[in-house]
Amino acid sequence: AQKVTQAQTEISVVEKEDVTLDCVYETRDTTYYLFWYKQPPSGELVFLIRRNSFDEQNEISGRYSWNFQKSTSSFNFTITASQVVDSAVYFCALSEANYNQGGKLIFGQGTELSVKP
Amino acid sequence: GAGVSQSPSNKVTEKGKDVELRCDPISGHTALYWYRQRLGQGLEFLIYFQGNSAPDKSGLPSDRFSAERTGESVSTLTIQRTQQEDSAVYLCASSSGTGDAFFGQGTRLTVV
Repeated sequence: AQKVTQAQTEISVVEKEDVTLDCVYETRDTTYYLFWYKQPPSGELVFLIRRNSFDEQNEISGRYSWNFQKSTSSFNFTITASQVVDSAVYFCALSEANYNQGGKLIFGQGTELSVKP
Repeated sequence: GAGVSQSPSNKVTEKGKDVELRCDPISGHTALYWYRQRLGQGLEFLIYFQGNSAPDKSGLPSDRFSAERTGESVSTLTIQRTQQEDSAVYLCASSSGTGDAFFGQGTRLTVV
């Protein structure tokens, strides 16, 4: 069965600190996709990144970086030099569908990040 | 439209009444999803439509919940005989089939 675990319920950091949000997943499929979404206080979910199971290259986008390791079934998300605007709930999600068929997303419980000035 | 649109944004209903929630997906998106998010909780999958295929209803919590979608257009989620435990934000998302789902702002349902 598919499952996504975000063990960190809440994280609090001071501005400019680096912070890593953990995500561990379970799936029986060899083809799957992993996602991160941000949910700021306004409530709308914002898509951040999608990775497929065949691409283990780390990805960096500005202050955001993602570390995908199939050996440990993890897809961790790091924010470098955090800012107050990064305060939000972050969700990791898994889809077992093929790339061109879409598929339902299974979400973790979310990690609430609070960045204090 | 430019994004996923949900209506109403807020709904307060009396216990036992039926409610209908509406979702307008992004034009051209073949896949549409409904999720429920209780206060302080993660997203709970409800139902998924993909083109003209039979929907995946595996997440619907009871037979009081149903959803429809005509073609690749609007979807409605209906909750019959609402109960207080149904109070939550109901989120709709659509995707083009690439797997990148874009979410609406949700409908906050309060059952009193």
